[in-house]
Amino acid sequence: KAGVTQTPRYLIKTRGQQVTLSCSPISGHRSVSWYQQTPGQGLQFLFEYFSETQRNKGNFPGRFSGRQFSNSRSEMNVSTLELGDSALYLCASSQGTGGNTEAFFGQGTRLTVV
Amino acid sequence: KQEVTQIPAALSVPEGENLVLNCSFTDSAIYNLQWFRQDPGKGLTSLLLIQSSQREQTSGRLNASLDKSSGRSTLYIAASQPGDSATYLCAVSLTGNQFYFGTGTSLTVIP
Repeated sequence: KAGVTQTPRYLIKTRGQQVTLSCSPISGHRSVSWYQQTPGQGLQFLFEYFSETQRNKGNFPGRFSGRQFSNSRSEMNVSTLELGDSALYLCASSQGTGGNTEAFFGQGTRLTVV
Repeated sequence: KQEVTQIPAALSVPEGENLVLNCSFTDSAIYNLQWFRQDPGKGLTSLLLIQSSQREQTSGRLNASLDKSSGRSTLYIAASQPGDSATYLCAVSLTGNQFYFGTGTSLTVIP
């Protein structure tokens, strides 16, 4: 059974550009959530999608957005990149949203903004 | 807002030792708690999931306990091995799959 796939694995962008990251969840999983990991702030929640609907959103500026498609694949977009957006972006997938559902993470996308 | 704290921040032990990692959280109204490990530059690997109604879960040499009322969880690793060296993260979910993470415990097992 394939795991959570994130593409690309590495990205280098220039300040002011925009970027789109992709996450393909485990087959059959309908929930996808996104996290930003930095050395200073640790892992912080960005947003969660379930059946193409955003269920929760973390405390990030509007430059961060996401969406989920009918096949449960998800994308997140960051516009007008800033140096501080350099981070490891992780997505997690799970079957549902109940307390008994285990979350599985991808390997992440390492974004470097120069 | 949920605050998750992990103690100690770093731990170094000789191979074969048993060890305990601690996690505390401020809001006891959790859906579940998961323990993960993260190797440098990699994603997170799920170790154990404890639902809010459960007290503990076991997988191989790992045992995790949950005391919701006191806002605490522990991860017990028996007979540690060098391959256990990694950062261990505790995460609690209040709703759906929105997790609050601790800052992790960096474990080094010395051969």
